[in-house]
Amino acid sequence: DIQMTQSPSSLSASVGDRVTITCRASQGIGNSLAWHQQRPGEVPQLLIYAASTLQSGVPSRFSGSGSGTDFTLTISSLQPEDVATYYCQKYDAAPLTFGGGTKVEI
Amino acid sequence: QLQLQQSGPGLVKPSQTLSLTCAISGDSVSGNVASWNWIRQSPSRGLEWLGRTYYRSKWSNDYSVSVKSRITVNPDTSKNQFSLQLRSVTPEDTAVYYCARATRGLIDYWGQGTLVTVSS
Repeated sequence: DIQMTQSPSSLSASVGDRVTITCRASQGIGNSLAWHQQRPGEVPQLLIYAASTLQSGVPSRFSGSGSGTDFTLTISSLQPEDVATYYCQKYDAAPLTFGGGTKVEI
Repeated sequence: QLQLQQSGPGLVKPSQTLSLTCAISGDSVSGNVASWNWIRQSPSRGLEWLGRTYYRSKWSNDYSVSVKSRITVNPDTSKNQFSLQLRSVTPEDTAVYYCARATRGLIDYWGQGTLVTVSS
């Protein structure tokens, strides 16, 4: 099975900072990569799909890039409401594997 | 608007079977586009996809290798819902369990989650 590895596992940044999270697949998955945001105490929510397409309603400060094995989630200007854990997920085929998560704090 | 309503016990004894149900409104379990998934989350395992059921002219299932010998995901077309059965549970199966819809594999909607504790 393809493994998904995220880095870093946690980070702390200031409001307004640019934040970058990476996700690496152990084999190529094309652009079948999603990012989910899970705020503390909440259910995960889809943020980005097809590696770079923002889900409806997601602020434009979020962006995604990459294809094949290497992917990036960027928050251009970190806001207090962005405090959450972010998970990548591959969806090219079963199993629908998640990365280990990146906890973002301020 | 899609709604996924989970139900089932929050406490299961070791060696018994964990059973959860996810009732769907706003979509059909028999649709030809979506799949219906179970995912769990624990501090030790993070988010772990467990399995899915879907209809493409016939019913099919996919399961995670980690639970394949113990899991069954079944649709119930009469009630427009699907279920999870996980047999022979141990304390390591303690987690928050989510049902979720996936469209072409992309998980686009999550249920509210159910904390299931395995303890005697």
